[in-house]
Amino acid sequence: DAGVIQSPRHEVTEMGQEVTLRCKPISGHDYLFWYRQTMMRGLELLIYFNNNVPIDDSGMPEDRFSAKMPNASFSTLKIQPSEPRDSAVYFCASSTLGNNEQFFGPGTRLTVL
Amino acid sequence: SQQGEEDPQALSIQEGENATMNCSYKTSINNLQWYRQNSGRGLVHLILIRSNEREKHSGRLRVTLDTSKKSSSLLITASRAADTASYFCATDGAGGGATNKLIFGTGTLLAVQP
Repeated sequence: DAGVIQSPRHEVTEMGQEVTLRCKPISGHDYLFWYRQTMMRGLELLIYFNNNVPIDDSGMPEDRFSAKMPNASFSTLKIQPSEPRDSAVYFCASSTLGNNEQFFGPGTRLTVL
Repeated sequence: SQQGEEDPQALSIQEGENATMNCSYKTSINNLQWYRQNSGRGLVHLILIRSNEREKHSGRLRVTLDTSKKSSSLLITASRAADTASYFCATDGAGGGATNKLIFGTGTLLAVQP
């Protein structure tokens, strides 16, 4: 298995633009997590899915952020409109059980100018 | 506030020495995990210890858990330059009930000098 795949690896965009981050979890994993990592706030859980259903989105900072999981092999995290304070590294992770070992993707480094 | 807080925030040692990192958490847990993150990379799972376990080993890693003190430690023996990374603890704490997410600590940055 190739592991968790994220794209793009780097994204630079202008304030106000829409940003879409993509994730392909490991086949057979029922849980998918989106995290954001910054120097100031560390690693924050944004939202997680179980069997493609969003379970807990309490970490989503505001309505500008949305996440979908249309099928077991694909998820997106969208920011519209983007702001400079959204600059961070966004990680996707998957696992067989929510509190078991999580497998992380390489991350997407987002810079909003 | 963070469920897990690592101590120290940063640690610098010489190759061959042992490195010890500590993690404190606030609520009851089902398990506690340790992860490593190399610069610019995603986190990699190292070891999981369940609430009814007190100590666990994996290669050069030794993890202890003291649920009465709500703390854990990660010991890396005979460190190597390749161990240079950030180390995070993660708990599923929610008062001991079943949870399906992890809360990560603030991390310890370990630098191993060759």
